[in-house]
Amino acid sequence: DAGVIQSPRHEVTEMGQEVTLRCKPISGHNSLFWYRQTMMRGLELLIYFNNNVPIDDSGMPEDRFSAKMPNASFSTLKIQPSEPRDSAVYFCASSFGTENTGELFFGEGSRLTVL
Amino acid sequence: GEDVEQSLFLSVREGDSSVINCTYTDSSSTYLYWYKQEPGAGLQLLTYIFSNMDMKQDQRLTVLLNKKDKHLSLRIADTQTGDSAIYFCAEGGYNKLIFGAGTRLAVHP
Repeated sequence: DAGVIQSPRHEVTEMGQEVTLRCKPISGHNSLFWYRQTMMRGLELLIYFNNNVPIDDSGMPEDRFSAKMPNASFSTLKIQPSEPRDSAVYFCASSFGTENTGELFFGEGSRLTVL
Repeated sequence: GEDVEQSLFLSVREGDSSVINCTYTDSSSTYLYWYKQEPGAGLQLLTYIFSNMDMKQDQRLTVLLNKKDKHLSLRIADTQTGDSAIYFCAEGGYNKLIFGAGTRLAVHP
């Protein structure tokens, strides 16, 4: 079974450039989450969608960050313009929102380095 | 607001038991979870406990929940080198999980 698929796995870019991270959730899952992991702040929830609708974006750091989910099988997280402090591993996760345990299934992450 | 706290590091000898502790703030959480992250990978659910339970055992894993003190622990019996990873405590319900900072478990011979 295909899990959550993220791309790219690694991205190195220069300050000021636009970065787009992509996620394909597990088929049939109706909730999608974007997390950011850094040594300093641990794992932070940035935004989550339910049935393609953004429910809570209070974790999005600032207006430079935006996320979309145009359909049930695809989501993007965009940073424009990027800054060195955005360097982190970005995880996408999905779940079936009304499932018994609410387990999240994580992708392998996109490691972003902004120089 | 919601908050989950756990110690950052734990070092144990192979074969000993490991105990990872966590405190949380949201008493309305339906489930509490332990996730495991191996190097270069995403998080994977290790085990979970329903909020009306005190204990859950699953092979080498024992989860203890003290709702009064909002304290959750994970005990790994007979710890092996393959258990070396970061362990995250999480609280929440069906649509939103809040994770702790993670405890890095190092297993040495």
